[in-house]
Amino acid sequence: GAVVSQHPSRVICKSGTSVKIECRSLDFQATTMFWYRQFPKKSLMLMATSNEGSKATYEQGVEKDKFLINHASLTLSTLTVTSAHPEDSSFYICSARDLSGSLYNEQFFGPGTRLTVL
Amino acid sequence: AQSVAQPEDQVNVAEGNPLTVKCTYSVSGNPYLFWYVQYPNRGLQFLLKYITGDNLVKGSYGFEAEFNKSQTSFHLKKPSALVSDSALYFCASNDYKLSFGAGTTVTVRA
Repeated sequence: GAVVSQHPSRVICKSGTSVKIECRSLDFQATTMFWYRQFPKKSLMLMATSNEGSKATYEQGVEKDKFLINHASLTLSTLTVTSAHPEDSSFYICSARDLSGSLYNEQFFGPGTRLTVL
Repeated sequence: AQSVAQPEDQVNVAEGNPLTVKCTYSVSGNPYLFWYVQYPNRGLQFLLKYITGDNLVKGSYGFEAEFNKSQTSFHLKKPSALVSDSALYFCASNDYKLSFGAGTTVTVRA
């Protein structure tokens, strides 16, 4: 099956620093990747949709200068949390849609990255 | 636009008993519906999906879901629950972007 990896799985950083999270599709090409944020025991909140070779589309209320998304290839998207603060602490999950997918093809999810900002 | 709702925050069942996790949907066209499961500190795992065809969809780990158009429901079911089924379950609809329900925490007691 389609596998999506995320790196790192956990990261602890000091307030004010920037953190980069990678999302890779390992055995398929993904024209579209999605970034979600999840609070404890809560649902996933879509942050942005990342299309290969173009600018990401951010959901309402998500600061694009705060959460920088780059989708430079068909297998890699990165999320950079800039000038992180404790309120940015969360579980970040990416997903990828298969290149050949139509509207209803499922997204394949990464294992998530736990960010803790001290 | 499509959306889903999960009316129960928690479901508790004894091992060996039937498990049902409820989901209702609201769509403006044909519904594309999914169920995912999440274990602690892990990503989401796909269980099953409904696109078209048979109303009863069979998925992974012995789960199935029944699409009911008249009741606009897509409940997830398992005939005999296992302790290892304890997890957070999400119903979702797909209209290019996935819209998730709030999630239902399932606890199966031994």
